[in-house]
Amino acid sequence: NAGVTQTPKFQVLKTGQSMTLQCAQDMNHNSMYWYRQDPGMGLRLIYYSASEGTTDKGEVPNGYNVSRLNKREFSLRLESAAPSQTSVYFCASKVPRGWGGGYTFGSGTRLTVV
Amino acid sequence: GQQLNQSPQSMFIQEGEDVSMNCTSSSIFNTWLWYKQDPGEGPVLLIALYKAGELTSNGRLTAQFGITRKDSFLNISASIPSDVGIYFCAGPGGGNQFYFGTGTSLTVIP
Repeated sequence: NAGVTQTPKFQVLKTGQSMTLQCAQDMNHNSMYWYRQDPGMGLRLIYYSASEGTTDKGEVPNGYNVSRLNKREFSLRLESAAPSQTSVYFCASKVPRGWGGGYTFGSGTRLTVV
Repeated sequence: GQQLNQSPQSMFIQEGEDVSMNCTSSSIFNTWLWYKQDPGEGPVLLIALYKAGELTSNGRLTAQFGITRKDSFLNISASIPSDVGIYFCAGPGGGNQFYFGTGTSLTVIP
């Protein structure tokens, strides 16, 4: 099935641990994004990649790094997890306007840092 | 970042009622998007608007691009239980990104 696939779906980390959230899309989209969703805050952009080989900071990049491994894959890394990074993380890819526009989102990774 | 204000924050309605929600921004947008998020899932695009004053329907959903280009409206007619979820508006920022509103949570009471 075409779409955006995120792994893992759930994760519990201890403060200070590191982990990488994986994201892959099979729609040949150029631009990919990482958002976090917190209650009452909506979706806030962490990092994005406008095209393969480029990455840029979004609204809340501190504590995160990203890698655009190839056109399909865009990973998000937490080097030293903190409780403030407890959130739901969504990866998305940008749909060309001629195909409907907007983003296609993955189903999310629910991360708890204790 | 860009501020998108959605109202109301939450709604509790009876099945069969019509629903109306809106979104305003501090800047002029040339695109408005409306998404729905089911519990435990990622947001899904409902309607995209690209022209001031444009009104677009998707089944029982209708969205309108405000004349000032700083606002947009989403209406749902004859609500059903599966309309439950969080509805987000979004508008474009720089670098191919979109800013999202804080969402309107809809509960439909059978």
